[in-house]
Amino acid sequence: AQTVTQSQPEMSVQEAETVTLSCTYDTSESDYYLFWYKQPPSRQMILVIRQEAYKQQNATENRFSVNFQKAAKSFSLKISDSQLGDAAMYFCAYRRSGGGADGLTFGKGTHLIIQP
Amino acid sequence: AAGVIQSPRHLIKEKRETATLKCYPIPRHDTVYWYQQGPGQDPQFLISFYEKMQSDKGSIPDRFSAQQFSDYHSELNMSSLELGDSALYFCASSYLLAGEPGDRVTQYFGPGTRLLVL
Repeated sequence: AQTVTQSQPEMSVQEAETVTLSCTYDTSESDYYLFWYKQPPSRQMILVIRQEAYKQQNATENRFSVNFQKAAKSFSLKISDSQLGDAAMYFCAYRRSGGGADGLTFGKGTHLIIQP
Repeated sequence: AAGVIQSPRHLIKEKRETATLKCYPIPRHDTVYWYQQGPGQDPQFLISFYEKMQSDKGSIPDRFSAQQFSDYHSELNMSSLELGDSALYFCASSYLLAGEPGDRVTQYFGPGTRLLVL
């Protein structure tokens, strides 16, 4: 079974600075997908970024980028120019490849605090 | 843009009662997923449906059942409720774009139904 590990229960960063959230995963699959979801106090799950394992290029979405290291099974999220609205719980998630409607496997989450 | 709709948003039940949660996917989405998120926990995948057929199954208790209807909406039926069933229940949906490999992959989540079992 696949597992996703987020080793940082909580991170704190000053507004406008950069922060990196860590995620490692364990899988025997060669093709899969990785995601970062954000869950603010409203509890809504919001997709931040997605990475396909077959792509060597790291995904980027505005201030959000990932460092995907396939051999190390590492998938970290970098948030640049942190804003107060970035404060939330961040979940790393894994989905195996294939044509079915497979569910996501989530990590335990990292609570991100933005200091004004 | 239209989002996933879940109803009710809040539900209070007594132990051993039955609850039904409803999910209306984003228009043209044909795949629905259900997740359970306990207090302070990560979401746990329960079950998914594609074109009205069960597709993948996670840690769904035998007391729970679900189905997807012809209009693609889905219902999660929960019987013999226990205190431990108190949680936030998410529905997510996804879709396939012709000629776009892997586009069934991204799941868009609804706001969740908060279930409290007393």
